[in-house]
Amino acid sequence: EDQVTQSPEALRLQEGESSSLNCSYTVSGLRGLFWYRQDPGKGPEFLFTLYSAGEEKEKERLKATLTKKESFLHITAPKPEDSATYLCAVSTGANSKLTFGKGITLSVRP
Amino acid sequence: DVKVTQSSRYLVKRTGEKVFLECVQDMDHENMFWYRQDPGLGLRLIYFSYDVKMKEKGDIPEGYSVSREKKERFSLILESASTNQTSMYLCASFGVTYGYTFGSGTRLTVV
Repeated sequence: EDQVTQSPEALRLQEGESSSLNCSYTVSGLRGLFWYRQDPGKGPEFLFTLYSAGEEKEKERLKATLTKKESFLHITAPKPEDSATYLCAVSTGANSKLTFGKGITLSVRP
Repeated sequence: DVKVTQSSRYLVKRTGEKVFLECVQDMDHENMFWYRQDPGLGLRLIYFSYDVKMKEKGDIPEGYSVSREKKERFSLILESASTNQTSMYLCASFGVTYGYTFGSGTRLTVV
């Protein structure tokens, strides 16, 4: 059974304090690893897809990396508007369904 | 931009009612999904569909059914709503170009 574990559950940062969010996975045959951002009361918003170990993608203050066992979402010099829940998910089958982690709630204080 | 539209943001229904949650996407995607999201449990897959009139059970299909009569529309049906089906329901569609796109969600309360 595919498993996705995100840590920590919650993270509080001061504005400008860089950090990383972890997503570890146990799957049989990874087809893709996805990162989403979710604001309260809204649907998840796509951030990145990573397909193979060693791959990295960047968008503004966010950088996602992938190894054979885990992915990191690095946040550089975060701002209060980066406060949200960050979800990690994996796709392993041909039917493109996703298995999600429980998410990491990030709070950035001004 | 790919758009996935869920018909209601908030719904309040009574126990035993039949409930329909509607989802429409505008990008001609084949694969569509229904998830529910609960605090501490994360997102769990209820049903998905990879073509018109095709459906497959996800991880928690009990108490739910789905309908996909047209490619753009995927409906989730609660045959007889119960209080343990109070949740946030999220629809998503998948396309090769944009990956997964989620709707804004429907917060359903069953009283």
